[in-house]
Amino acid sequence: EPEVTQTPSHQVTQMGQEVILRCVPISNHLYFYWYRQILGQKVEFLVSFYNNEISEKSEIFDDQFSVERPDGSNFTLKIRSTKLEDSAMYFCASSETFNNEQFFGPGTRLTVL
Amino acid sequence: AQSVTQLDSHVSVSEGTPVLLRCNYSSSYSPSLFWYVQHPNKGLQLLLKYTSAATLVKGINGFEAEFKKSETSFHLTKPSAHMSDAAEYFCVVTIDSWGKLQFGAGTQVVVTP
Repeated sequence: EPEVTQTPSHQVTQMGQEVILRCVPISNHLYFYWYRQILGQKVEFLVSFYNNEISEKSEIFDDQFSVERPDGSNFTLKIRSTKLEDSAMYFCASSETFNNEQFFGPGTRLTVL
Repeated sequence: AQSVTQLDSHVSVSEGTPVLLRCNYSSSYSPSLFWYVQHPNKGLQLLLKYTSAATLVKGINGFEAEFKKSETSFHLTKPSAHMSDAAEYFCVVTIDSWGKLQFGAGTQVVVTP
């Protein structure tokens, strides 16, 4: 069964460093998403991506964040200068259409020291 | 404004007894509703979805949910809990036409022998 994959499973970084979280969505899906879950809090929407551009982003998704689909298979989330409060589990998701179910990856746990 | 409220943060049941996880939502948009499950150290897995067809929705692993518009509820049930059902369960609603998801806070289910 096709699945969304994410790498790495756990990333530890120093405050101020750049990180790139990688996702491989399901191959025939057209809509891509990033969510995050800070420990003990709700899963929060970050950004949606369709047709090689951002379709929607939350207020969390400020200028420090960017997304890219560099090669038609990977979907990346970059945080330019990490802060302590960026520590969270980051989930990538993809779906065939905008209103269909989203398939989630296993997540990347980001720890900022 | 859209919101999702899971009425129980923690539910403990005995193996073989029924499970009820409660969810209420509010939405000015005609939503799709989902239940996702997250087992420890795993990604989010879709249990079932409601997309304005039958109000009683059957999902995987014996779970089902009933959409009640008058009560704005989408409660999840299973007639007989299994040890493998121990996990965190999220009630989720789409809140716009781009498929942006809003998550409830989650219900942790513990199953005792």
